[in-house]
Amino acid sequence: EAGVAQSPRYKIIEKRQSVAFWCNPISGHATLYWYQQILGQGPKLLIQFQNNGVVDDSQLPKDRFSAERLKGVDSTLKIQPAKLEDSAVYLCASSAVQVGNTGELFFGEGSRLTVL
Amino acid sequence: GNSVTQMEGPVTLSEEAFLTINCTYTATGYPSLFWYVQYPGEGLQLLLKATKADDKGSNKGFEATYRKETTSFHLEKGSVQVSDSAVYFCAQNTGGFKTIFGAGTRLFVKA
Repeated sequence: EAGVAQSPRYKIIEKRQSVAFWCNPISGHATLYWYQQILGQGPKLLIQFQNNGVVDDSQLPKDRFSAERLKGVDSTLKIQPAKLEDSAVYLCASSAVQVGNTGELFFGEGSRLTVL
Repeated sequence: GNSVTQMEGPVTLSEEAFLTINCTYTATGYPSLFWYVQYPGEGLQLLLKATKADDKGSNKGFEATYRKETTSFHLEKGSVQVSDSAVYFCAQNTGGFKTIFGAGTRLFVKA
């Protein structure tokens, strides 16, 4: 079974530029998450999708971050314009929705963003 | 609100030493509890989980017991190896599939 795929693995940009990250979840997983992991901290949820609908985006800085999951499969997270404090690893995760599921998350390898 | 607190690292141990990483949580209701591990250069992966009070999760020699009375889920291993060097995250899920993570504890194991 293929895991969660993310790209690019690494990205370096100047502040005020834009960047986009892509994620393809495990086949059949209805729920998709984007987390931000700043160095030395635990992952922080940015947005959660159920199929192609947003379940929770309360911690997404909507003035600069946007995310979509148009066909309920893969997803794109965009930052425009980027700030220095956006330097982090952006983790995509997915989980299956089924009776008895305890919510185990399956993570991709992450996309490391450096903003200069 | 719901939260997870785990001991600060880094934790440095010699090979074959006993490991404990403390984790406590605050939650409304009864969450499922998890330990995730992040090896260098890799994404997070589930290490073990427990879904109700007194459950013990175990995997790869690691264990953690869900203690409702102390709201804790401490991670233990009797004899660590160099290959266990990683960052360990305690997490909870209180339904709605929203998972909250602790800050992580980095473990270094010396040969």
